[in-house]
Amino acid sequence: NAGVMQNPRHLVRRRGQEARLRCSPMKGHSHVYWYRQLPEEGLKFMVYLQKENIIDESGMPKERFSAEFPKEGPSILRIQQVVRGDSAAYFCASSWLGQAFTSNYGYTFGSGTRLTVV
Amino acid sequence: AQTVTQSQPEMSVQEAETVTLSCTYDTSESDYYLFWYKQPPSRQMILVIRQEAYKQQNATENRFSVNFQKAAKSFSLKISDSQLGDAAMYFCAYRAQGGSEKLVFGKGTKLTVNP
Repeated sequence: NAGVMQNPRHLVRRRGQEARLRCSPMKGHSHVYWYRQLPEEGLKFMVYLQKENIIDESGMPKERFSAEFPKEGPSILRIQQVVRGDSAAYFCASSWLGQAFTSNYGYTFGSGTRLTVV
Repeated sequence: AQTVTQSQPEMSVQEAETVTLSCTYDTSESDYYLFWYKQPPSRQMILVIRQEAYKQQNATENRFSVNFQKAAKSFSLKISDSQLGDAAMYFCAYRAQGGSEKLVFGKGTKLTVNP
């Protein structure tokens, strides 16, 4: 089992460009969570999705950010017209049937994508 | 809204010694979960230990144990027999029972282990 795979590991974008971050959950996991980690900060929740549905997007900025988790393929976090303040590490985690905390393992996190906006 | 506070931005410990990392949280819920995550330089988030609020017994995982004080809303992590590989950022996290499964994280404590 390959774990949660995020790519790219590093992404550099110029101001105004679009950033697309990909997350492939663990095999059998149908729920995906995105978090953002600003420098010197803890992770902050952005969005929680299951396949073809957004369950909770209370942490998503109102503009420029969107997320999807299609029936086939990875989950995508999309940031349009990036600004310097978007520079951060973006983490994805996955769980099975929304029962992350009924197991001893909680979520499984990916290694993150570090986005740098220049 | 729930908040998690880690008041120690940095801590250091000698190899083989014991260190305690502090965490306090604020919630009006009675049922919830608490976690400690380790983040080494590789950025990987690794679950160290978890505690269910309804359990009075403190969780233990090998050299890692917690001191959970529900009334004081305190959840400290004790690392015994510290090893060089324990050096990392440590994050305390909270999750309410039910509802969305989002975690609320503290800002972290950077642990240095000196040989």
